[in-house]
Amino acid sequence: QSVLTQPPSVSGTPGQRVTISCSGSSSNIGSNTVNWYQQLPGTAPKLLIYKTNQRPSGVPDRFSGSKSGTSASLAISGLESEDESDYHCAAWDDSLNGPVFGGGTKLTVL
Amino acid sequence: QVQLMQSGPEVKEPGSSVKVSCKASGGSFSSYTITWVRQAPGQGLEWMGRIIRIFGTINYAQKFHDRVTITADDSTSTVYMELSSLTSEDTAVYYCAEEIVPATSAHSWFDPWGQGTLVTVSS
Repeated sequence: QSVLTQPPSVSGTPGQRVTISCSGSSSNIGSNTVNWYQQLPGTAPKLLIYKTNQRPSGVPDRFSGSKSGTSASLAISGLESEDESDYHCAAWDDSLNGPVFGGGTKLTVL
Repeated sequence: QVQLMQSGPEVKEPGSSVKVSCKASGGSFSSYTITWVRQAPGQGLEWMGRIIRIFGTINYAQKFHDRVTITADDSTSTVYMELSSLTSEDTAVYYCAEEIVPATSAHSWFDPWGQGTLVTVSS
């Protein structure tokens, strides 16, 4: 089982705002920054958000990240059909001395 | 930005080993930190280990530490990940990625990723 907990799936309609949660503990999200990766079907993961709320160049500002305590969230506003993908959260874990991931969330655009 | 190109798919028998390569181009290979992550079918991502070239340090996830070996060849700018004693549970896509470490590992991230290598373990 994954160390970080994500919902298996979320869905939304075009134009809607959706959020994906990522729950951890004091040894990972509670004390370190969070990264999010987008994985389109059949492709490698791609960095979407780093250091909890930073967007790499080229990532639309429709994507945003936040953190509170031992939980983090990815928000996607103005949902588009091309956003249909798997999303993975990740954070360094001080107890395990390595990065840990969530199980991934499949976003469906209805 | 560095580009990472991985070796092709592998089919292995249980009990054998597999060695996956990850060739880096662009930038300075000696300063890279290359990490390995795997993804079993329909599952999430799982960190396996990394090599910090600038310090010559190699870290392994506890789950794999007795079965995985990460090495680097400076002459070809290639990092290798070898996994031994394979079982069907090792069937997965294996990815390499550059780990960006701005200050400490607590704030690092992976970008870019290689295209992935499918390893199938079957008799």
